[in-house]
Amino acid sequence: EVHLVESGGGLVQPGGSLRLSCAASGFTFSDYWMSWVRQAPGKGLEWVANIFQGGSEKYYVDSVKGRFTISRDNAKNSLYLQMNSLRAEDTALYYCVRALGGGYLDSWGQGTLVTVSS
Amino acid sequence: DIVMTQSPDSLAVSLGERATINCKSSQSVLYDSNSKNYLAWYQQKPGQPPKLLIYWASTRESGVPDRFSGSGSGTDFTLTISSLQTDDVAVYYCQEYYSTSWTFGQGTKVEI
Repeated sequence: EVHLVESGGGLVQPGGSLRLSCAASGFTFSDYWMSWVRQAPGKGLEWVANIFQGGSEKYYVDSVKGRFTISRDNAKNSLYLQMNSLRAEDTALYYCVRALGGGYLDSWGQGTLVTVSS
Repeated sequence: DIVMTQSPDSLAVSLGERATINCKSSQSVLYDSNSKNYLAWYQQKPGQPPKLLIYWASTRESGVPDRFSGSGSGTDFTLTISSLQTDDVAVYYCQEYYSTSWTFGQGTKVEI
């Protein structure tokens, strides 16, 4: 069974940094694209970033380019999201998600909450 | 970026009746080389992560009841719940994965 567990969320001041982690199990992690998707409180879903299997190709939503970095450690079955220069509008529940077939999202973690506030 | 627009924003349907949700993309998500529409549908219940229902616009995910179906091609897509059950109360999202910058629709809330 696919299992994705996010951690690292919390309260941070505007301009601060956080690093989210996602521990994956139940599948061959290195075979899959992985993504981060976020959901602001009471709002819809927003795709944040993708990383290909080997980590060489990465894509980001425009609003986080230059501030967020997605990475992975296939030896540790882990996905990461380094978030710098955080803004109030980055406040959201961040989901770690497995991608199949070029981009449909078949397995989701429970999410980790990031709150950016002074 | 591709913009995904769902309609309606919310709908109320009687138990056992049909629910229809539309999703329109600002450009085609049909990839000519493989004739596949890069469009997925998700269901999200309160306090839960989204659940994949449909991919390639019309392929039902394993374990999803057959009352859920997806149709459409190019820029216009539909999710149909043929006979609404109480368990189907949720918010439904479409998502395109044609581009390298994936986008979701704004969501459609389905109520009884």
